Amino acid sequence: AQKVTQAQTEISVVEKEDVTLDCVYETRDTTYYLFWYKQPPSGELVFLIRRNSFDEQNEISGRYSWNFQKSTSSFNFTITASQVVDSAVYFCALSPWNTDKLIFGTGTRLQVFP
Amino acid sequence: NAGVMQNPRHLVRRRGQEARLRCSPMKGHSHVYWYRQLPEEGLKFMVYLQKENIIDESGMPKERFSAEFPKEGPSILRIQQVVRGDSAAYFCASSPAQGAMDEQYFGPGTRLTVT
Repeated sequence: AQKVTQAQTEISVVEKEDVTLDCVYETRDTTYYLFWYKQPPSGELVFLIRRNSFDEQNEISGRYSWNFQKSTSSFNFTITASQVVDSAVYFCALSPWNTDKLIFGTGTRLQVFP
Repeated sequence: NAGVMQNPRHLVRRRGQEARLRCSPMKGHSHVYWYRQLPEEGLKFMVYLQKENIIDESGMPKERFSAEFPKEGPSILRIQQVVRGDSAAYFCASSPAQGAMDEQYFGPGTRLTVT
């Protein structure tokens, strides 16, 4: 079965705190893609990152970083020095091999308080 | 380069009416995907289309829902005889080709409310 689990339903932090959003996935494919999307209160979906299953290098983009570990089937997302504008629902998604459809987790709502 | 366009952004229908949701993919994109987001839930895949072809409709409800992507014009998601449970946000995404996953960008969504 293909599945994405985001166990944290909601996280609240104070500005400038670091926060990590967990994502655990299940797939039998050896080739697959993992994504993170941000959904701010306005409702649109903003693409953050795509990672393929052969690239386990961690990625950093400004205050955002991603930790991909195949051994634990996890693709966690860390925001450093969080800001109020980071408040949103964050979705992790999996795309199995040979298909372009995305399997989404249920999302983690992040609230950053000033 | 304009992004994925969806209209209307908000749609209100009474039970039993038809809902038509439109999606214009990004310029140069010939692959369209529809997803549904029920309140407080993640997005669920519905259907994947290329021009004039339905490639994967494994996520489409068996009745009342249909989708098309004609040679000319936008992709249409059609819901006949809507019920309250159809109230959701419907998102469209497009990509230039299969396998170009890094270019699958989403539209702003259509929020359907069934009264």
